[in-house]
Amino acid sequence: GAGVSQTPSNKVTEKGKYVELRCDPISGHTALYWYRQSLGQGPEFLIYFQGTGAADDSGLPNDRFFAVRPEGSVSTLKIQRTERGDSAVYLCASSPASGYNEQFFGPGTRLTVL
Amino acid sequence: KQEVTQIPAALSVPEGENLVLNCSFTDSAIYNLQWFRQDPGKGLTSLLLIQSSQREQTSGRLNASLDKSSGRSTLYIAASQPGDSATYLCAVISVQGAQKLVFGQGTRLTINP
Repeated sequence: GAGVSQTPSNKVTEKGKYVELRCDPISGHTALYWYRQSLGQGPEFLIYFQGTGAADDSGLPNDRFFAVRPEGSVSTLKIQRTERGDSAVYLCASSPASGYNEQFFGPGTRLTVL
Repeated sequence: KQEVTQIPAALSVPEGENLVLNCSFTDSAIYNLQWFRQDPGKGLTSLLLIQSSQREQTSGRLNASLDKSSGRSTLYIAASQPGDSATYLCAVISVQGAQKLVFGQGTRLTINP
């Protein structure tokens, strides 16, 4: 079956602009996660959804970052007033129903802020 | 706060060798540990998941062990091949961690033909 998909694969924007990154989880997976990976580092947690609600947003770095999952499937990560330090690969993962299950990752969106 | 460390940061070995990658974590109260592979410019591919009650998991030439009490896991790769070249990441979900994975920085593995 289809895995986790993310669009766009690459996004180049200018400092101060607004961007949206999209994640389509594996069908039927109720848990969805966003992580951010800087060059040479392991991914760092941003936010976790169980269904439509954000169960844990403790990893969002500041209030310029926001994520939604209105129908419990597709999720959008939104970044306002982008800064050069936001440049990274943004990874999305999903896992089956609640519980501490295996997480399956998408290919990521490489964001470059000029 | 959970911290995960992977040693070595990089490893280069000739084809055919057996090798071990190490992962350590500071808080032994975990639900599970997951090993991933990441190819350059790509996302993460899950290799093995070990639940906290398990000691090891095997998949083909890969064997992962878990010693929760000492905060250690190893990934053993048998008969390495050039196609095994990638970055290998381990990650844990802590009891205090609300289902989020905490990752190490990875080991960059190169298998030389």
